[in-house]
Amino acid sequence: DTEVTQTPKHLVMGMTNKKSLKCEQHMGHRAMYWYKQKAKKPPELMFVYSYEKLSINESVPSRFSPECPNSSLLNLHLHALQPEDSALYLCASSQDPGGTSALAAQYFGPGTRLLVL
Amino acid sequence: QKEVEQDPGPLSVPEGAIVSLNCTYSNSAFQYFMWYRQYSRKGPELLMYTYSSGNKEDGRFTAQVDKSSKYISLFIRDSQPSDSATYLCAMNRGSQGNLIFGKGTKLSVKP
Repeated sequence: DTEVTQTPKHLVMGMTNKKSLKCEQHMGHRAMYWYKQKAKKPPELMFVYSYEKLSINESVPSRFSPECPNSSLLNLHLHALQPEDSALYLCASSQDPGGTSALAAQYFGPGTRLLVL
Repeated sequence: QKEVEQDPGPLSVPEGAIVSLNCTYSNSAFQYFMWYRQYSRKGPELLMYTYSSGNKEDGRFTAQVDKSSKYISLFIRDSQPSDSATYLCAMNRGSQGNLIFGKGTKLSVKP
């Protein structure tokens, strides 16, 4: 089973709201990722968690706050977002956090489509 | 020069055709190469994952890697309308498994 689940599927929020995106995997993967994807563009990496520790933050604004409560869960807390933050937010996981292993293939969830008004 | 180049298309083929999708890359440090299929408004689905130069086959899909030319390909045999999607190549960078994506090629298979 290579399933990554994400909730909610859709989210509409105002610029003053606080909301959270959730991601879950039960494949025993030790790395989890948040990506942002705008229309007709490839996914852009935001954060990487390796063994439940934040290992990469791709200079993401502080209005996005990731959290990894345990090895199966990944959250993305949103606060004071801007309309340009509207996008598809994708979670992914891989068995091996290292980029030089055959186990580094990343499996994506279906995404949360976010609209900021 | 961008690290990964992929023709965005769109590419339109008749049902049953053989489809060839390609990416070139500039960083010789890339070691693992992936192809993802993404349907409209859905998450990317991993299709193929390859390492060494050569071919890897899975059903109607064949992934080809030529590290000497820094060129990767995905072939789809007997294409079906259900193959209509955007195909993204991706490759890893660094020790954290960061993926670098191509822009994606939009494929349409006409019945």
